[in-house]
Order: sequence, then structure tokens, then C-alpha cells
Amino acid sequence: DTGVSQDPRHKITKRGQNVTFRCDPISEHNRLYWYRQTLGQGPEFLTYFQNEAQLEKSRLLSDRFSAERPKGSFSTLEIQRTEQGDSAMYLCASSLLPALRDTQYFGPGTRLTVL
Amino acid sequence: AQTVTQSQPEMSVQEAETVTLSCTYDTSESDYYLFWYKQPPSRQMILVIRQEAYKQQNATENRFSVNFQKAAKSFSLKISDSQLGDAAMYFCAHMDSNYQLIWGAGTKLIIKP
Repeated sequence: DTGVSQDPRHKITKRGQNVTFRCDPISEHNRLYWYRQTLGQGPEFLTYFQNEAQLEKSRLLSDRFSAERPKGSFSTLEIQRTEQGDSAMYLCASSLLPALRDTQYFGPGTRLTVL
Repeated sequence: AQTVTQSQPEMSVQEAETVTLSCTYDTSESDYYLFWYKQPPSRQMILVIRQEAYKQQNATENRFSVNFQKAAKSFSLKISDSQLGDAAMYFCAHMDSNYQLIWGAGTKLIIKP
């Protein structure tokens, strides 16, 4: 199966620690998105890449958050000095623009718990 | 600001019956896309159906169909012959001109056997 994959699936960390998540998109998808989803809510957009270029960042993305997609393939999302409010599911999605008119396909998510 | 509203936090339906989930959205754009995604418990978000705003014909995917009312900015999802595997959170989403998805809060669908 060549769907979107995310690693790790679960992460428990202590407040103040740094964490890094990885997303591998569907092969040849040029767009990659990061979302955050809290319990009982829809996803909130964080940022997206077209190839290796980070084109937009949400105001939700504080300076403690950084995302990279160095070679236009996989992406990493790092959260520095984690806070309890960062506890959420972090979703990655990829799409192929312009084909399929940018339908986004999602990975299984990384569930972060900050103690 | 563009918004998506799902007014039904939870819906339940008897197995094999039909259920309709409602969604309204607000946009000033004329060309856009609308989506319904399904998120089963502890599982990933799955695309159910999509609708291009320029198409008058309602999209259909097997047991899933939409009622797209552009003037009313309404985009409801009808699930026919409901099955136990349909139980999930259903999210309505609008894609803006920047290709960003704006999401509703979701509707939890319960299937009664």
C-alpha cells in the first residue's frame, strides 16, 4: 500500500521537551499538509508545502512549531518546548496538484500527549 | 471569514435505513470544492465524496450521495442502506481558492443494529 504514512503513531512527552513527527506522502504527490485535530473537533490547518517550498503557515503555528520538507518528499514537524495545550492528533495529508483537483489523502495521524 | 457549519453533533440511524447529514458553508467565491470525509474511531480520515461547485449535478458514490444547493450554500450527505461500518465521525469541508480545507466540527453517526 502506498498511502500516506506517519511516524510515530503515538508520542507521550513531558512538558518542555522537543518532539519531531514524520510524514511520508503518497509517492509523487507534490503538496503536503499538516493539520492539528483536538478531540471532538475538525482538523485545523497548520501549514502546507508545494514540493519543498513552505507556502503558507497558519496563525495557529507559533514560533515553537517548525516544519520542513527538504527534498520535496517526506516532511517533518517539530514542536519545541512542548506545552500541555499541544496535546492533539497531528494529521498529515498529501495531494497532487493539479490532477485530481487537489483532493487530500490523509495519513493515520500522530497522537501527541504532553504530560 | 469562510466557515463550515455542521449543526448535528450526533445522528443515529437503523441499519439498512437512510440518513442525511447536513452542512452549510459560507464563501464569497464562485468556484470551489466541497468534501465529505469519514473518520472511524481511532482510524484515519477517508474521503467519502467530493463536489465541484461549477457542476450542477449532485455527486454520487455508491450508497453515498450529496444534495448540493449552491444558492443556499448547503451540502448535505445522504447515506442509503446504512451499514454498521458506516459508523464514524463525518466531516464536511470546503476548499478555498488557496486549496486550504475549512472544516466543520463533525457529526457523529451511530448505526443501530
